[in-house]
Amino acid sequence: DGGITQSPKYLFRKEGQNVTLSCEQNLNHDAMYWYRQDPGQGLRLIYYSQIVNDFQKGDIAEGYSVSREKKESFPLTVTSAQKNPTAFYLCASSKRLRTAQETQYFGPGTRLLVL
Amino acid sequence: QKEVEQNSGPLSVPEGAIASLNCTYSDRGSQSFFWYRQYSGKSPELIMFIYSNGDKEDGRFTAQLNKASQYVSLLIRDSQPSDSATYLCAVKDTGNQFYFGTGTSLTVIP
Repeated sequence: DGGITQSPKYLFRKEGQNVTLSCEQNLNHDAMYWYRQDPGQGLRLIYYSQIVNDFQKGDIAEGYSVSREKKESFPLTVTSAQKNPTAFYLCASSKRLRTAQETQYFGPGTRLLVL
Repeated sequence: QKEVEQNSGPLSVPEGAIASLNCTYSDRGSQSFFWYRQYSGKSPELIMFIYSNGDKEDGRFTAQLNKASQYVSLLIRDSQPSDSATYLCAVKDTGNQFYFGTGTSLTVIP
């Protein structure tokens, strides 16, 4: 089955700790994205990557870091600099083609909670 | 900043009625428009997309696009309790970036 997987489903972070959220896709998509969703709010873009070994900051990149060493993988690290990390984190992917029909597909999400 | 506006609701409709969800966007250069459904605690799932002016139908769902008015809507016919969810409008620009509204909460009352 093709799709996007995220792990873990729930993640608990202690004060001052860095944590890494995993995102893997087997859809052969070039582009991958990380969003954050807070209750009652829309999706806000953290980072995105259109190609391996390249990524760009989104609207709320401060306190987060990413890497894109493989086409299939786009892990997100929430650093201790992110003071309010409690949220639902969504990974998405799409083909890189800039056609009108091309859409984003989402993984199941990771819920991050602060202890 | 490219903005996508939706009424947050909640919108309540009786079972079997038509639910109408609306979305406006600020960027006239937007390329295509998407509706996602998100159940509580779950990730968004794509319902349908539209990129040409007019109507596009898929089963009980109809998306309507008016680029001149920068307006896109989603109609759900014969609404079912299982349609109760938050509906997210998303707009894609020519740079392949997506912008999301805050969502409209829909409740279908049996």
